[in-house]
Amino acid sequence: GENVEQHPSTLSVQEGDSAVIKCTYSDSASNYFPWYKQELGKRPQLIIDIRSNVGEKKDQRIAVTLNKTAKHFSLHITETQPEDSAVYFCAAPFSGNTPLVFGKGTRLSVIA
Amino acid sequence: DGGITQSPKYLFRKEGQNVTLSCEQNLNHDAMYWYRQDPGQGLRLIYYSQIVNDFQKGDIAEGYSVSREKKESFPLTVTSAQKNPTAFYLCASSIAGALDTQYFGPGTRLTVL
Repeated sequence: GENVEQHPSTLSVQEGDSAVIKCTYSDSASNYFPWYKQELGKRPQLIIDIRSNVGEKKDQRIAVTLNKTAKHFSLHITETQPEDSAVYFCAAPFSGNTPLVFGKGTRLSVIA
Repeated sequence: DGGITQSPKYLFRKEGQNVTLSCEQNLNHDAMYWYRQDPGQGLRLIYYSQIVNDFQKGDIAEGYSVSREKKESFPLTVTSAQKNPTAFYLCASSIAGALDTQYFGPGTRLTVL
């Protein structure tokens, strides 16, 4: 089945710096890659997603890049702010329309 | 995601008891999912349903059961066969399947006493 590896598990950055979280997946047929943000005690919320027909997608300070050849995708957060502190999850489906497999999460701390 | 509700928010269970967690959505979504979240473990899929009266096991279905009698509802029963049920349980839904955005409910925190 699909295996999604996420790194790093924890990340601390100074306010204003950039943060990068990377995920690798095993199924070359995977074609949808969402990123979720979960604040403490809250539900995960989608922040950005990318489909396999594009290599990059950007939304204000957040961007996602996809390298299908290497089977990895990354979340980039620029100009980090304290409210970016949360756990971030990547996900990918296995072979098309099967349920998403989630990475184990990255705890991002933005230090003011 | 405001269209998905879960109840109760906190649930305490004695060992040997079955408990049922509620999940309701008014988004007219066909697909619904149950995940279990443990610290440092991400989200693990328990069961999912892509259409009424049909559901499939996920990666950790043992000790759990579900039903999907209505499109809006996907209750999860944690049975006494689940050896370590203390966790945060999240329900989610999507329009049709995995390639659509999943919206999560607020979660139920289950504690076994």
